[in-house]
Amino acid sequence: GENVEQHPSTLSVQEGDSAVIKCTYSDSASNYFPWYKQELGKRPQLIIDIRSNVGEKKDQRIAVTLNKTAKHFSLHITETQPEDSAVYFCAAISPETTDSWGKLQFGAGTQVVVTP
Amino acid sequence: NAGVTQTPKFQVLKTGQSMTLQCAQDMNHNSMYWYRQDPGMGLRLIYYSASEGTTDKGEVPNGYNVSRLNKREFSLRLESAAPSQTSVYFCASSELGTNTEAFFGQGTRLTVV
Repeated sequence: GENVEQHPSTLSVQEGDSAVIKCTYSDSASNYFPWYKQELGKRPQLIIDIRSNVGEKKDQRIAVTLNKTAKHFSLHITETQPEDSAVYFCAAISPETTDSWGKLQFGAGTQVVVTP
Repeated sequence: NAGVTQTPKFQVLKTGQSMTLQCAQDMNHNSMYWYRQDPGMGLRLIYYSASEGTTDKGEVPNGYNVSRLNKREFSLRLESAAPSQTSVYFCASSELGTNTEAFFGQGTRLTVV
């Protein structure tokens, strides 16, 4: 089955700096890679996603890159702000043609702290 | 829309007691999930249901059972609670295919003493 690894587990950045979180996945058939943000005491919420037919996607200060050959994908946050402080999770899912179809598997999470 | 609704929000159980966590979604999604969240462990998949009538084990299914009652509802049962099951439990749903965003319930904080 799919195994998603995420690094680093914690990340401290100064306000205005960039933050990068990296994930690797094991199942080469995986074709959808979402990123979720979880604020303290809240539920995880989708912030950006990328599909396997795309190498990069951007949404304002957030971008995600995907390297299918190396089986890794990354989240980039530019010009970080205090409200970016949260836990971020990457995830992967396999298509309908595999045994693990529908199995949304998450990485262990990255605690991001943005200090003013 | 309510989205994904979980009940209860908080629960304290004694070791050996049983309980069922309820989850319902009103988005007509086919797929539903149960995760547990422990500090430093992220979101670990307990069980999932890719479509109505099917359920499959995730990475930590021991001690749990699930029922996909219908398309809307997916319940998680602890038959004999253990302190190791103290955790925050999240239910989620998604529609696999073109729009695959998973929506989470508000979570259930379970303490087993």
